[in-house]
Amino acid sequence: AQSVAQPEDQVNVAEGNPLTVKCTYSVSGNPYLFWYVQYPNRGLQFLLKYITGDNLVKGSYGFEAEFNKSQTSFHLKKPSALVSDSALYFCAVRDRSSNTGKLIFGQGTTLQVKP
Amino acid sequence: GAVVSQHPSWVICKSGTSVKIECRSLDFQATTMFWYRQFPKQSLMLMATSNEGSKATYEQGVEKDKFLINHASLTLSTLTVTSAHPEDSSFYICSARAAPRGTGAGNQPQHFGDGTRLSIL
Repeated sequence: AQSVAQPEDQVNVAEGNPLTVKCTYSVSGNPYLFWYVQYPNRGLQFLLKYITGDNLVKGSYGFEAEFNKSQTSFHLKKPSALVSDSALYFCAVRDRSSNTGKLIFGQGTTLQVKP
Repeated sequence: GAVVSQHPSWVICKSGTSVKIECRSLDFQATTMFWYRQFPKQSLMLMATSNEGSKATYEQGVEKDKFLINHASLTLSTLTVTSAHPEDSSFYICSARAAPRGTGAGNQPQHFGDGTRLSIL
C-alpha cells in the first residue's frame, strides 16, 4: 500500500536559520513526489515536485527538496527561514503506475519560524 | 496561471439543509477534479475523484448519495452535501488537474481551491 510519513508534527526554527521538513514514502513503483503549503483557512499551494532527473528540486519561495531513493525520502529544505514561511506543509506521493491522478498525503508538519 | 476558484468560502446553515459548493478552474481546462475533506490540524481525506462527463469515483466509506458530485464541464465541478447534519461540518477543498487522462498525466500537480468552511447548526 502507498503511504507517506511526515514524522514531525511541528518544526520550530529561528528566522534566518536553515529549515528541514522531513518526508518519507512507500510506493510499489517509482513515485511522483510533491510538496504543498497551506496557510490558515486556505487551500493548498503547490511548492515543488520531483518527477525524474536531478535529485535536488528547486521550487517556489526559495524552497527545495532532495529525492533520496535509497532512503525513500523527499525532505523539504530552505537555507534561510522567514517568519512568513510559518504554515502547514504537506508531502504527497503518486504512484506512476496509476492513471487516476490520486495523491496520497502525509499528515502534515506545522512549521513555526520565530523572529 | 492554474487558478482554482472555490465558492462559497464559508457557509453556516441549519441541519437538514442541502449545500452546494462550486469549484472552477479559471484559466485552464480540468478533466479531473478532486474533492477533499479536512478536519482541524489533520491531513486531507480524499472523498471522490470527478472526471468531466462521467460519474465520480468515490473513496471507500464516502456516501455517494450524501455527497453528490457533478462535473458537467471542463471548468466546473460541484459538490452538494445533501440534508447536512452537524457531523458534516468540516473544511472541504477541491483541486483540479489540467493534464489529459492516460499516460504522462501523473506528473502534473493538482491545483487547489481555497476551501469551503461548512458549519451545520
